[in-house]
Amino acid sequence: ILNVEQSPQSLHVQEGDSTNFTCSFPSSNFYALHWYRWETAKSPKALFVMTLNGDEKKKGRISATLNTKEGYSYLYIKGSQPEDSATYLCVGYQGAQKLVFGQGTRLTINP
Amino acid sequence: DTAVSQTPKYLVTQMGNDKSIKCEQNLGHDTMYWYKQDSKKFLKIMFSYNNKELIINETVPNRFSPKSPDKAHLNLHINSLELGDSAVYFCASSRSGGRADTQYFGPGTRLTVL
Repeated sequence: ILNVEQSPQSLHVQEGDSTNFTCSFPSSNFYALHWYRWETAKSPKALFVMTLNGDEKKKGRISATLNTKEGYSYLYIKGSQPEDSATYLCVGYQGAQKLVFGQGTRLTINP
Repeated sequence: DTAVSQTPKYLVTQMGNDKSIKCEQNLGHDTMYWYKQDSKKFLKIMFSYNNKELIINETVPNRFSPKSPDKAHLNLHINSLELGDSAVYFCASSRSGGRADTQYFGPGTRLTVL
């Protein structure tokens, strides 16, 4: 069973500060890792998909890194804004097609 | 245009009833999914179809039956609804079900069983 663990479960950050959080997964049989952003009362939206060890992806102020050998991915947000408040989901694969979702990191940006 | 749509958005029904949730995607994707958001807010996969063929069938009660009339639609029928079925159900699609394929989610259907 693939366990995708995210930490912390919740995070409060002051507007303008930078922050990061972690997704951990078993390093063996790695296939791909996805990050999704999920705002309250909406549906998850894709941020990044990462497949190779050492991958770094960036979208505006948000970036992610991947270390498949040690089994973790970091998501970074630079200069947090209130609109960054959301739950950030990390998603791995168990087997060929079954996605396994982490429990998410709920980020709240305080103005 | 909405990429992945679900109907209804809210569904309130009595225990024992049979209900369906419909999902449609206009992205031309081959693979569609149903997820249940449980009480702890986890998303758990229930089913996936690739081009109308069942690919993933998790250990959900057989009261839940997906139906895919064509690759743009994946409906979820639930028989003999129980209180524990109350949840938000999300439909999603991806291009081919590949591991690097992004999933596009519908807005969710909040099911309440009384």
